[in-house]
Amino acid sequence: DIQMTQSPSSLSASVGDRVTITCRASQGISNYLAWYQQKPGKVPKLLIYAASTLQSGVPSRFSGSGSGTDFTLTISSLQPEDVATYYCQKYNSAPQLTFGGGTKVEIK
Amino acid sequence: EVQLVESGGGLVQPGGSLRLSCAASGFTFSSYDMHWVRQATGKGLEWVSAIGTAGDTYYPGSVKGRFTISRENAKNSLYLQMNSLRAGDTAVYYCATSSSWEHDAFDIWGQGTMVTVSS
Repeated sequence: DIQMTQSPSSLSASVGDRVTITCRASQGISNYLAWYQQKPGKVPKLLIYAASTLQSGVPSRFSGSGSGTDFTLTISSLQPEDVATYYCQKYNSAPQLTFGGGTKVEIK
Repeated sequence: EVQLVESGGGLVQPGGSLRLSCAASGFTFSSYDMHWVRQATGKGLEWVSAIGTAGDTYYPGSVKGRFTISRENAKNSLYLQMNSLRAGDTAVYYCATSSSWEHDAFDIWGQGTMVTVSS
């Protein structure tokens, strides 16, 4: 089975900082990669699919890149409302799917 | 409005069974793969099961042989039969799906139902 590894597991950054989260697949998954945001006590929300396509309504400060095994989620200018845990998910073998372990983002 | 509403969660003893339901509305339920995802308190998301439009089913090793996913298209409903429950199955259970023909990522989620396995 393909494993998804996220790093770091948590980070603390200042408002306005550029934040980068990494997701690595144990085997190539082309661009079948999604990113989700889950705020405390809330349901996960799809941010990005196909590694770099922004879901409708998602602020443009979020961006995704990568293909194959290495992917990144970038927040270009961290805002207080971005405090959340972010998950990557592979879907190349849908409907069998795997999530990464999550990255908790906090404000310094 | 596109909506998924889970029900059926509760407290069950180890070794017991529980059946979760997910009521779908606002989209053509029969045309979409459906999934269950769980999240233990303070932990990450774990994909639990999937059912295709043809009724084909998929499970990770952690629940295979204990959980059974099914669907009833006439009732726009998804189910998860959970048997031989363990403390490690304690989690919020979400039903989810992709409404897009472009990708299989989940853009529709229910609000979740809590399952607690404890004596």
